[in-house]
Amino acid sequence: EAGVAQSPRYKIIEKRQSVAFWCNPISGHATLYWYQQILGQGPKLLIQFQNNGVVDDSQLPKDRFSAERLKGVDSTLKIQPAKLEDSAVYLCASSTLGWEENTGELFFGEGSRLTVL
Amino acid sequence: SQQGEEDPQALSIQEGENATMNCSYKTSINNLQWYRQNSGRGLVHLILIRSNEREKHSGRLRVTLDTSKKSSSLLITASRAADTASYFCATDQTGANNLFFGTGTRLTVIP
Repeated sequence: EAGVAQSPRYKIIEKRQSVAFWCNPISGHATLYWYQQILGQGPKLLIQFQNNGVVDDSQLPKDRFSAERLKGVDSTLKIQPAKLEDSAVYLCASSTLGWEENTGELFFGEGSRLTVL
Repeated sequence: SQQGEEDPQALSIQEGENATMNCSYKTSINNLQWYRQNSGRGLVHLILIRSNEREKHSGRLRVTLDTSKKSSSLLITASRAADTASYFCATDQTGANNLFFGTGTRLTVIP
């Protein structure tokens, strides 16, 4: 079974530029998550999708971050304009369970490391 | 905000020794999970313990949960150099429907 795919693995941009990350979850997984992990910290949830609907985006900085999950499969996370403090690893995860169920095991991708100069 | 806090922040042991990591959290939970993260990689699920369970085993892993103290521990027995990684606890908070990760324990196993 293929795992969660993410791209690009690494991205370096100047502040105020834009960047987009792509995630392809495990086939059949209804729930998709984007986490931000700053160096030395644990992952912090940015947004959670159930199929193609947003379940939780309360911690997404909506003035600069946006995300979508078209057709309930792939997802993209965009940052525009980027700030220095956005330097982090952006992790995508998926789960078989729906948002109304207790959260089970999450399957993570390898992450996209963003450096903002 | 992050739910769990791991202790210690860093742990260094000799190969063959046991490693114990602790996690404390603040609110009621449905379950608690432990994940491992090798440097530069994604997180890998290790074990899930439900709120009505007190202890669970998986291979060399032993997890305990004390909901009255809002704490959990992860024991890795007979450690190997390949166990070197960061370990995170994550709580499925009641009513939240997603996971809140702690700050992690960085484990180094010296061959």
